[in-house]
Amino acid sequence: NAGVTQTPKFRILKIGQSMTLQCAQDMNHNYMYWYRQDPGMGLKLIYYSVGAGITDKGEVPNGYNVSRSTTEDFPLRLELAAPSQTSVYFCASSRGYEQYFGPGTRLTVT
Amino acid sequence: DAKTTQPTSMDCAEGRAANLPCNHSTISGNEYVYWYRQIHSQGPQYIIHGLKNNETNEMASLIITEDRKSSTLILPHATLRDTAVYYCIVRVSLQGAQKLVFGQGTRLTINP
Repeated sequence: NAGVTQTPKFRILKIGQSMTLQCAQDMNHNYMYWYRQDPGMGLKLIYYSVGAGITDKGEVPNGYNVSRSTTEDFPLRLELAAPSQTSVYFCASSRGYEQYFGPGTRLTVT
Repeated sequence: DAKTTQPTSMDCAEGRAANLPCNHSTISGNEYVYWYRQIHSQGPQYIIHGLKNNETNEMASLIITEDRKSSTLILPHATLRDTAVYYCIVRVSLQGAQKLVFGQGTRLTINP
């Protein structure tokens, strides 16, 4: 199993551009999550999903959108990128109590 | 979910036991204590969790005080690869969406 995969690894965006961060898992997990981590800080939950077609907001959802059309994929959309969205983004999945994290996407908005 | 308090940083000699404390004085009876760690810039990794009994797995041991207001994660024989940020998290349920709330954690440095 590849586990949780994320693409791209790195990206630089200009202010106002849009992009989609991709996340996929091959463990048939119902639950998927997006977190962001700012320098020196812990992770903050952006959005999560309890299954295909069902998503909900986390702690810091503003400026982001998600969709979950399949069990495997959970893309995160950034519209009108802002410097405040410069961060490392982690995707995760779980079936039970243990959450499995991807390697992260490092995003810089300038 | 109850808040947790951890020391900002700790050091430990390679081969010794690393003991990482966590205070969660407002924990409720149905809240679990979880530990995750983050090595360098990688995604966090689950270590262990418990409710009120002490727990042990291949990675670590978790000691929860009888009043459940604090806990200690023990890495019995620390290696250089255990250098990481360790997060203590308290949340209600083992079931359903695990909406984890990460604090700033403890930066553990294992010294040769």
